[in-house]
Order: sequence, then C-alpha cells, then structure tokens
Amino acid sequence: QKEVEQDPGPLSVPEGAIVSLNCTYSNSAFQYFMWYRQYSRKGPELLMYTYSSGNKEDGRFTAQVDKSSKYISLFIRDSQPSDSATYLCAMSDNNDMRFGAGTRLTVKP
Amino acid sequence: DVKVTQSSRYLVKRTGEKVFLECVQDMDHENMFWYRQDPGLGLRLIYFSYDVKMKEKGDIPEGYSVSREKKERFSLILESASTNQTSMYLCASSFLDGSPYNEQFFGPGTRLTVL
Repeated sequence: QKEVEQDPGPLSVPEGAIVSLNCTYSNSAFQYFMWYRQYSRKGPELLMYTYSSGNKEDGRFTAQVDKSSKYISLFIRDSQPSDSATYLCAMSDNNDMRFGAGTRLTVKP
Repeated sequence: DVKVTQSSRYLVKRTGEKVFLECVQDMDHENMFWYRQDPGLGLRLIYFSYDVKMKEKGDIPEGYSVSREKKERFSLILESASTNQTSMYLCASSFLDGSPYNEQFFGPGTRLTVL
C-alpha cells in the first residue's frame, strides 16, 4: 500500500462546477498537509497548506483535513478553465515529505 | 521573483550514456532535491542535499548520484543511463529552517528519454 493515495483522474468538469479532489494516507505522524498545483510543462507550485485537522479557505479554494480518517480534500468553487492543471497532495511530518500521484483536472468552458 | 532553473527541458540519450542534469536556484536555499515524476507514481525523491557537499539518499537512489559543489547548484548524474530511467526529472529547493510546511520551490522539469 502506498503511503499516500490519490486518484489520478483525469477529471473533467464544466466551468462553474464545484470540484472535489481527495487523498488518503496511512502515516498518522503527518502533521502538515499541502496542495500543489502543476500546470502543463511547469513544476508544481504550492497552492495551500494546513496544519493538523480542520479547514482552510483561500478565495475559491478550501482545504480540509480529517486526521481521524486520514483523509484530505481540496474543494474548488466556481471552477474556471484556468484551474485546469494537475493537483498534487503532499504531506509532511517535518522530516519526510510525501506526494500523491496527482489528479489531472480539466475545466471546460 | 524566486527561481529554480534546470539546464534542459528535453533530453534524449542512448542506453549506457552518462547523463548530467543541472539545477540552479537563486533563493539562497540550503535544501535542494531531485525527484522523478512518473504517471501514477507521483513524485519520488531520488536524492537531497541540505548543504554544500552534503547529500542524502531518497527513496530511489539506485542508478543515480549527485553533486553539490556550490550552494546554488545541484547536479543529478545518471552514471549509465537505462531505458527505465526515462522520466520527468524535477529539481526543488527550500530553506533549511523555513516554514513548518517547508514549502519547496520547483524547477520546470527535464523530460529525459533514454533510447
């Protein structure tokens, strides 16, 4: 079993849809949870991070962490074609960082 | 604007060749990383370095070596390229004692094809 599981998709939605991206993990020592966004032919860039459990909102993006279920989510409201990218979850216990495989998202106009 | 640059965007090499991938960062970061990215497998850490001339093995170091002679430069070396090393290679850097989530800044990647 992989330490971090993420459905690679691809996921295709119409513009304006709510998108839900998810990861599960097995290492209960992870404390920091991140989402990176990777546009085509670019390196990943940090989109959001959260510490421990709870929600964090930044504009149209909301990150959720449920440590009891070892499950994290990224929600995108009012999705735009410019959100089309691969989204990678990442998590860290301050020593090791582990990345998910990435979910490829396409938002169609 | 922070920047991590990689020497090549695309590279085609033959089996058995020695391959050098170079990465330069201008953020004065102590940590530098080399990952490979493969469909369905995500980012896998090959090697990282937390200081000049220091290196640590990641999850998949076999077939690779690294060199860090200057703080801003981190090189990945494939001693004898093989077809199973065909992949996207990503370099990243971060501060040693940065934020708790230790944000990594990535280069644009080098797509290596070994024939």
